Amino acid sequence: GDSVTQMEGPVTLSEEAFLTINCTYTATGYPSLFWYVQYPGEGLQLLLKATKADDKGSNKGFEATYRKETTSFHLEKGSVQVSDSAVYFCALSDGTGFQKLVFGTGTRLLVSP
Amino acid sequence: DVKVTQSSRYLVKRTGEKVFLECVQDMDHENMFWYRQDPGLGLRLIYFSYDVKMKEKGDIPEGYSVSREKKERFSLILESASTNQTSMYLCASQRERHHQETQYFGPGTRLLVL
Repeated sequence: GDSVTQMEGPVTLSEEAFLTINCTYTATGYPSLFWYVQYPGEGLQLLLKATKADDKGSNKGFEATYRKETTSFHLEKGSVQVSDSAVYFCALSDGTGFQKLVFGTGTRLLVSP
Repeated sequence: DVKVTQSSRYLVKRTGEKVFLECVQDMDHENMFWYRQDPGLGLRLIYFSYDVKMKEKGDIPEGYSVSREKKERFSLILESASTNQTSMYLCASQRERHHQETQYFGPGTRLLVL
């Protein structure tokens, strides 16, 4: 079945450091790919998405490129801030069947001043 | 902006109690979902609904049921709560059934079953 694999956390960075959170997937069909973010005590919010191969999603300085050849959708940001501390979830929605969201286990990011 | 609200942020119940978790969305979305979130497991789908009075089992439906009598409201029911149902419960809605469509999440209900 479909699955999403994310790097284990927590990821600990200093402010202004470069961020990469790895995400790879397996899916049948042609999925859409998503990054959601969960700030402490809140629900999930969509951060960015890409719906076809080679698309780049971007928002709030974060970027991710849909790489079909490597089945990856890595999240990057050039300079993190303390306010970026949160849990980040990679997810896919397959283009077949019920088109449910399948989530990775989440990666916690901690940014220190 | 889409708004998804959940009836409680925190809930404490006793084993064997019947528990109702309510979710309401205000954007006339067709689809609604219930997930539970546990450390190290991510989000797992319990039930979802593509229309009023319609429901589909997700990946972990055992011990749960749902009700969707009105389009904007989707209820999750724990018929007889057990300690292994202690978790964070998240509701989501989606405009229509398409893989490109975003799901919008509520703030979550943290349930503790004693």
